[in-house]
Amino acid sequence: RKEVEQDPGPFNVPEGATVAFNCTYSNSASQSFFWYRQDCRKEPKLLMSVYSSGNEDGRFTAQLNRASQYISLLIRDSKLSDSATYLCVVNGGGAALIFGKGTTLSVSS
Amino acid sequence: GAVVSQHPSWVICKSGTSVKIECRSLDFQATTMFWYRQFPKQSLMLMATSNEGSKATYEQGVEKDKFLINHASLTLSTLTVTSAHPEDSSFYICSARDGRAETQYFGPGTRLLVL
Repeated sequence: RKEVEQDPGPFNVPEGATVAFNCTYSNSASQSFFWYRQDCRKEPKLLMSVYSSGNEDGRFTAQLNRASQYISLLIRDSKLSDSATYLCVVNGGGAALIFGKGTTLSVSS
Repeated sequence: GAVVSQHPSWVICKSGTSVKIECRSLDFQATTMFWYRQFPKQSLMLMATSNEGSKATYEQGVEKDKFLINHASLTLSTLTVTSAHPEDSSFYICSARDGRAETQYFGPGTRLLVL
């Protein structure tokens, strides 16, 4: 079983749509969870950390369910500039990060 | 936010040559730096963890004699791909952890093409 699994997509949505990405992780000892965004041929950039209580940053909402080892990201009112690959990331013990393969989002006008 | 630089951004070399990639934290001290590799349409894979002043810790399956890591200062880590071969062609990305926080900051990456 892969350590971090994501639906690769692609998700093709129109501007203004709401889209949700899911992720599962296998290491129950993981303590830190993140969503990163990676644009084509660029390095990943931190989008937001994910907390057990759930957290929101503008149009982005992240949720964590430790019992199910499940993380989600909700994007409301999609913009063209949201088109990217979204990486689910958990810490693998210590400071090392384990990346999912990413979910590709394409927002069209 | 914190800035991490990588140099060079692109490398094209012949098979058998060695390539050195530098990773620098520009406005913070990084006690730990990480080296990742990403093949097309694949996730980032951790290659090694580099701690300043000590030997790097390599992930399973990564040859430490082929991928030499030096972390001589709190702001600089280098990765040398020795005797590079076409299968080493990849996107190499470093990240640096600000000792005061959990966040890792990524460099812009180095694209290596071995002919």
